[in-house]
Amino acid sequence: DAGVIQSPRHEVTEMGQEVTLRCKPISGHNSLFWYRQTMMRGLELLIYFNNNVPIDDSGMPEDRFSAKMPNASFSTLKIQPSEPRDSAVYFCASSPADAGGRYGYTFGSGTRLTVV
Amino acid sequence: SQKIEQNSEALNIQEGKTATLTCNYTNYSPAYLQWYRQDPGRGPVFLLLIRENEKEKRKERLKVTFDTTLKQSLFHITASQPADSATYLCALPRNAGNMLTFGGGTRLMVKP
Repeated sequence: DAGVIQSPRHEVTEMGQEVTLRCKPISGHNSLFWYRQTMMRGLELLIYFNNNVPIDDSGMPEDRFSAKMPNASFSTLKIQPSEPRDSAVYFCASSPADAGGRYGYTFGSGTRLTVV
Repeated sequence: SQKIEQNSEALNIQEGKTATLTCNYTNYSPAYLQWYRQDPGRGPVFLLLIRENEKEKRKERLKVTFDTTLKQSLFHITASQPADSATYLCALPRNAGNMLTFGGGTRLMVKP
């Protein structure tokens, strides 16, 4: 397996533009997570999907952020409109469905977003 | 509120020595705790999981302890190598599910 695949690797956009980040989880992993990482705030959980259903989106900062998982092999995180304070590295992670913490997460390489 | 604290200052040690990193937490009753390694420009990589009923766990040169009374986990790397230089993060489950909250990480620098 190629691991968790994220695209694009880097994204530079102007304030006000729509940004879409993409993620392909590991086949067979039922849980998918979107995190954001900044120097100031570290790794923050944005949203958690289980079996393609959003379970917890309490970390989504504002209505400008939305996430979808139309099938087991694809998820998107959209920011519309983007703002400079959204600049961060966005990670997608997946793990086998589990309520007992038997497995760690597998993270993608991240998307570095810069909003100018 | 729930809090996970890791030393934000970098830990510098000499090759061959044992590195010890600390993870303290408050207002958690975790069933387990996980440790990850993150290299610059990469996503975190899962290293070890330790459960609340386990005092210690080992994997090659890594050793993790978990003291639920002290609310602390220690992460040890024995016979450290320059290749061990990275940021190490601990993570705790937010609730009964498997959503993880991560600490801020500690950067380890092993000098030859």
